[in-house]
Amino acid sequence: QVQLVQSGSELKKPGASVKVSCKASGYSFTTYGINWVRQAPGQGLEWMGWINTKTGNPTYAQGFTGRFVFSLDTSVSTAYLQISTLKAEDTAVYYCAREKNYIQPDHWGQGTLVTVSS
Amino acid sequence: QSALTQPPSASASPGQSVTISCTGTSSDVGGYNYVSWYQQNPGKAPKLMIFDVSYRPSGVSNRFSGSKSGNTASLTVSGLQAEDEADYYCSSYAGSNNFVFGTGTKVTVL
Repeated sequence: QVQLVQSGSELKKPGASVKVSCKASGYSFTTYGINWVRQAPGQGLEWMGWINTKTGNPTYAQGFTGRFVFSLDTSVSTAYLQISTLKAEDTAVYYCAREKNYIQPDHWGQGTLVTVSS
Repeated sequence: QSALTQPPSASASPGQSVTISCTGTSSDVGGYNYVSWYQQNPGKAPKLMIFDVSYRPSGVSNRFSGSKSGNTASLTVSGLQAEDEADYYCSSYAGSNNFVFGTGTKVTVL
């Protein structure tokens, strides 16, 4: 069965960086893209962008350029989200989600809580 | 890209139906038949309930149905059950590799 397993919770200080992993299994990794979605505490879902797993080409949504980087290691069927120069407002649960078609996510990871606090 | 507009809350009694609206523009909901709906329970990841406006993934109850008219999509949950109480989010492809979620609706079973 399709599974996306994300790395564990992170506690970081402002200004630090974090890298979240998303390991896929149960399907051919390069057949479907990977979305990244942010959910701040008590807030709704926010689409951050997606990465084409065939080409490695990322697309970033408005507001997620510059400090956010999507990457892949296709040899281990894993996608990564790196956030640099962390700010308190980056505190959120970050989800990876497989793209079904036209970006629509179908299968989701369990989420990774990133807490930014001094 | 602005978030799609959903009502903050909706409610109905067990066995009744509830319909949630999702209003966008001609650049997203109105322009493409790629609207999806997600159910999210507290502390859990979202679950895909409807894709491509009106298609249900395998394993999703047929009590969930989706439709679209112009720039507004809708999710109807019929025969409401206690387990349907959750947050629901719509989303839409928005062209040029863009995508947008709705603001979310909390469904309460009275």
